[in-house]
Amino acid sequence: DIVMTQSPLSLPVTPGEPASISCRSSQSLMHSNGNNYLNWYLQKPGQSPQLLIYLASNRASGVPDRFSGSGSTRDFTLKISRVEAEDVGVYYCMQALQTSITFGQGTRLEIK
Amino acid sequence: QVTLKESGPVLMKPTETLTLTCTVSGFSLTNARMGVSWIRQPPGKSLEWLAHIFSNDEIIYSTSLKSRLSISKDTSKSQVVLSMTNMDPVDTATYYCARILGTDWLDPWGRGTLVTVSS
Repeated sequence: DIVMTQSPLSLPVTPGEPASISCRSSQSLMHSNGNNYLNWYLQKPGQSPQLLIYLASNRASGVPDRFSGSGSTRDFTLKISRVEAEDVGVYYCMQALQTSITFGQGTRLEIK
Repeated sequence: QVTLKESGPVLMKPTETLTLTCTVSGFSLTNARMGVSWIRQPPGKSLEWLAHIFSNDEIIYSTSLKSRLSISKDTSKSQVVLSMTNMDPVDTATYYCARILGTDWLDPWGRGTLVTVSS
């Protein structure tokens, strides 16, 4: 299985400030079709995960444009341009290159 | 609007067999390039994928749990059923079902159901 490693695991952020989360995979997530099979999810407190970014850089429907995804092959980043209180929760990266999906450990974002 | 809802037992004893049902609405289990996946999350921990079932009836299981899992679907009822044998306290988790698009991403997810295994 592909191992997904996130950093940091905890991220205290002041509202209005930017935030960045890194995700590294144990092998390349780039398919022969050119897509990187890396997705980002946010699990808000007491809720199920919600899709933020799919195929590395595409915002899901309804996701604010302050969220952006970048990266390729093994290194990926989720950026929040200006953190808001509603962004608190645990962020997960997930690889879908292999049908045996795997997730990162999660990054807990909290408001300072 | 696409929704998924998990149902099943809340409390189980060790060695029992877990049976969970995922009832979907807003899409059909026969839609091309769509399927349903099961994922679990132990309290305070990360997510672990368990199984997929696709519209073409292809089934894929987690390698580590394959011997204990069985997944099936009833398209007439819009339901996907996951069974896991020989439950243990370490299997205590919230179990989610989610729609999988192609094999590309999971969206949306159900609200999950917490299953506790205790003697």
